[in-house]
Amino acid sequence: DSGVTQTPKHLITATGQRVTLRCSPRSGDLSVYWYQQSLDQGLQFLIQYYNGEERAKGNILERFSAQQFPDLHSELNLSSLELGDSALYFCASSFGGGNTGELFFGEGSRLTVL
Amino acid sequence: ELKVEQNPLFLSMQEGKNYTIYCNYSTTSDRLYWYRQDPGKSLESLFVLLSNGAVKQEGRLMASLDTKARLSTLHITAAVHDLSATYFCAVGDSNYQLIWGAGTKLIIKP
Repeated sequence: DSGVTQTPKHLITATGQRVTLRCSPRSGDLSVYWYQQSLDQGLQFLIQYYNGEERAKGNILERFSAQQFPDLHSELNLSSLELGDSALYFCASSFGGGNTGELFFGEGSRLTVL
Repeated sequence: ELKVEQNPLFLSMQEGKNYTIYCNYSTTSDRLYWYRQDPGKSLESLFVLLSNGAVKQEGRLMASLDTKARLSTLHITAAVHDLSATYFCAVGDSNYQLIWGAGTKLIIKP
């Protein structure tokens, strides 16, 4: 158990809909990272927050947004969903804002768009 | 821009054999990480390599880092079926972000 909690574990929805994925980082970690992993694909970095502020942005679509709240949990919002958004979405956390240490990953949220 | 290349991307091997996965990167870095992922599961940190010449071992896995050659290796000794997984390397760039390799899918046959 990495200490990173993600909900929901599974989500099935229809095209055009909007979903919210939630992540609670390890106790004491200030950074949260979001990654997307499509079937048999590598990891695509989406976005990082550090202590409530956006720190780095990767290949995140405009239809997607995220935020980190004062209690350090984070939410990833996916809207106008398309079939191609079906993927495993991982949250990871680390203590620092720049990654000089390892990331700890949650179990992921599997999104299926029908 | 830092680029990370893993090879091979797919490896099928017999139990009991030895093999090496390579992780090459394009610009200077002294931080490299290896992760393991079982199918449909989370990523588990295996090794953190933070200096040139670093070598770490855990069971049948050994990782090393040569920052001059910009190369890390993950060596598997006397492979067993339980090591079947996808292995990712990730390299820290100058902006303190991780750049990920594409992953090596390892299948070990009994």
